Amino acid sequence: AQSVTQPDIHITVSEGASLELRCNYSYGATPYLFWYVQSPGQGLQLLLKYFSGDTLVQGIKGFEAEFKRSQSSFNLRKPSVHWSDAAEYFCAVGAASGGYNKLIFGAGTRLAVHP
Amino acid sequence: EAGVVQSPRYKIIEKKQPVAFWCNPISGHNTLYWYRQNLGQGPELLIRYENEEAVDDSQLPKDRFSAERLKGVDSTLKIQPAELGDSAVYLCASSPGPEAFFGQGTRLTVV
Repeated sequence: AQSVTQPDIHITVSEGASLELRCNYSYGATPYLFWYVQSPGQGLQLLLKYFSGDTLVQGIKGFEAEFKRSQSSFNLRKPSVHWSDAAEYFCAVGAASGGYNKLIFGAGTRLAVHP
Repeated sequence: EAGVVQSPRYKIIEKKQPVAFWCNPISGHNTLYWYRQNLGQGPELLIRYENEEAVDDSQLPKDRFSAERLKGVDSTLKIQPAELGDSAVYLCASSPGPEAFFGQGTRLTVV
């Protein structure tokens, strides 16, 4: 069965420090992969997506992610974190089901940013 | 371009009462999803529509939950009767393809 694992429930970084959020997936074929961000009381905003091609994808707000097929990973990175990046981050895999796609989400990683 | 619109944003009801959530997807998006997000967890799919057809409702608790998408545009999700365990954020999303765009959600509290 398809699944997404985000090993880190909570991460704290200092403002200006680099960030890497981990994501591992389980899926038989090449998946569609996504990172979403959710601020308190808000819906999910799409940060970036991977469908095929270049394994390093750029997203909004200075985020990037790298798809590594051999490790079944799609880790999210940012070189310098801003206080406004504090939020919850969700990795998702787009899995084919009955001829259509559905998104399966990880449990999320809550990011706190210290000034 | 307007995003996915959900209403209400917040709802507090007593257990055993009915409740309904409304969603207006992004124009032109044929796929519509309802997800439930429990506190501290990722969203879980309840039902997915392609136009007006529910193509995946395997996770929808059909004894108390129902959904409809009339004319393949707006959608309503209903719970009757609500239970304490239904307290969660209900998210609607629409999609032109593999990625989904989410509304702000409805936070339901059942007391």
